[in-house]
Amino acid sequence: AQSVSQHNHHVILSEAASLELGCNYSYGGTVNLFWYVQYPGQHLQLLLKYFSGDPLVKGIKGFEAEFIKSKFSFNLRKPSVQWSDTAEYFCAVTTTAGNKLTFGGGTRVLVKP
Amino acid sequence: DAGVIQSPRHEVTEMGQEVTLRCKPISGHDYLFWYRQTMMRGLELLIYFNNNVPIDDSGMPEDRFSAKMPNASFSTLKIQPSEPRDSAVYFCASTTGNSYNSPLHFGNGTRLTVT
Repeated sequence: AQSVSQHNHHVILSEAASLELGCNYSYGGTVNLFWYVQYPGQHLQLLLKYFSGDPLVKGIKGFEAEFIKSKFSFNLRKPSVQWSDTAEYFCAVTTTAGNKLTFGGGTRVLVKP
Repeated sequence: DAGVIQSPRHEVTEMGQEVTLRCKPISGHDYLFWYRQTMMRGLELLIYFNNNVPIDDSGMPEDRFSAKMPNASFSTLKIQPSEPRDSAVYFCASTTGNSYNSPLHFGNGTRLTVT
């Protein structure tokens, strides 16, 4: 079965700082990768996804993620964060072995104004 | 589109009581998922349905939990009897087609507190 690891549980940074959140998955076959965001008090929303093609994918609100197959990683980045990026970020993966979307443990990001 | 609709938004109940959480998926979506979110365990998949049929319920914690999907527009998650450790936010999500590559659309969740 696949699993997803997010290295940082909490990240605190100031506005305009750069953000990078780590995500690694374990599965030997073909995967689809997702980043979801959960703003305080809200439900999860899709930030971006990777299915195939260019390993650098761009999502909403200036986020991007890079799929590095050799490292089983799909790190999320944003060059300059805003206070409104305060949220919890979840990496997730599906595989051809099933239809389940498996989530990482999440990373809480707090952006100080 | 109204999105995935869950009710109630908040539920407070006493230990031992039956709790029923409800979900209306997006019209046309043929996959429905129930997730539980806690601080300790994060997001856990409890069960998912395809065309109203339960496909994988391996995440259901124990026999106290049951889920049904009597039709394409309605699903319930029932806990009987409830226990304090069931306190969590329960999310319903739906998607269309092959959920392997279709993003999930989540509801706003039901925050359950069992005292």
